[in-house]
Amino acid sequence: GQNIDQPTEMTATEGAIVQINCTYQTSGFNGLFWYQQHAGEAPTFLSYNVLDGLEEKGRFSSFLSRSKGYSYLLLKELQMKDSASYLCAGSDSNYQLIWGAGTKLIIKP
Amino acid sequence: SQTIHQWPATLVQPVGSPLSLECTVEGTSNPNLYWYRQAAGRGLQLLFYSVGIGQISSEVPQNLSASRPQDRQFILSSKKLLLSDSGFYLCAWSPLGDSGANVLTFGAGSRLTVL
Repeated sequence: GQNIDQPTEMTATEGAIVQINCTYQTSGFNGLFWYQQHAGEAPTFLSYNVLDGLEEKGRFSSFLSRSKGYSYLLLKELQMKDSASYLCAGSDSNYQLIWGAGTKLIIKP
Repeated sequence: SQTIHQWPATLVQPVGSPLSLECTVEGTSNPNLYWYRQAAGRGLQLLFYSVGIGQISSEVPQNLSASRPQDRQFILSSKKLLLSDSGFYLCAWSPLGDSGANVLTFGAGSRLTVL
């Protein structure tokens, strides 16, 4: 079956670095997405990885290892506004997205 | 630029009543359109997607239906709501094509409470 696993909740301190992990099992693979979702709002796109390695976008980076079925989202210099849920989604052979339940990130001052 | 509008933002409906959620996209043509439901503690569940007018694919059998009467309009409906239909409904669009980087842009969502 198809499955996305990510931690339910994480806590980090303002100014620090946090890594949110995601493991995936999909029928075929056409990439791994990360979305950010603030409470009560819609998800917004953060990053897409289809090849192994690290993609950096400002304070946010995303890593992919296809052989391990593993990805992580790295957030640096954490700000209070980064408190949100982070959704991992894998694209299968039909380009349909399989979604994880999301990781709620709590930032403390 | 492209924008997506979804309404109503919130609604409270009695069991057995009908439902209509609407979604429109501006600034693009022939978008892929999606309806998702998000339940607390669970991943986004794809309900319907459409690659063109009148073309609807249903992912989950249920008492909901979708229609695409115009290229950039997508409607989610029910004739009789169930308690289990409560949730956060999200409309989304993506550019036409089978590119792997099929980035979804979501509407603001509709929170439905069925009593």
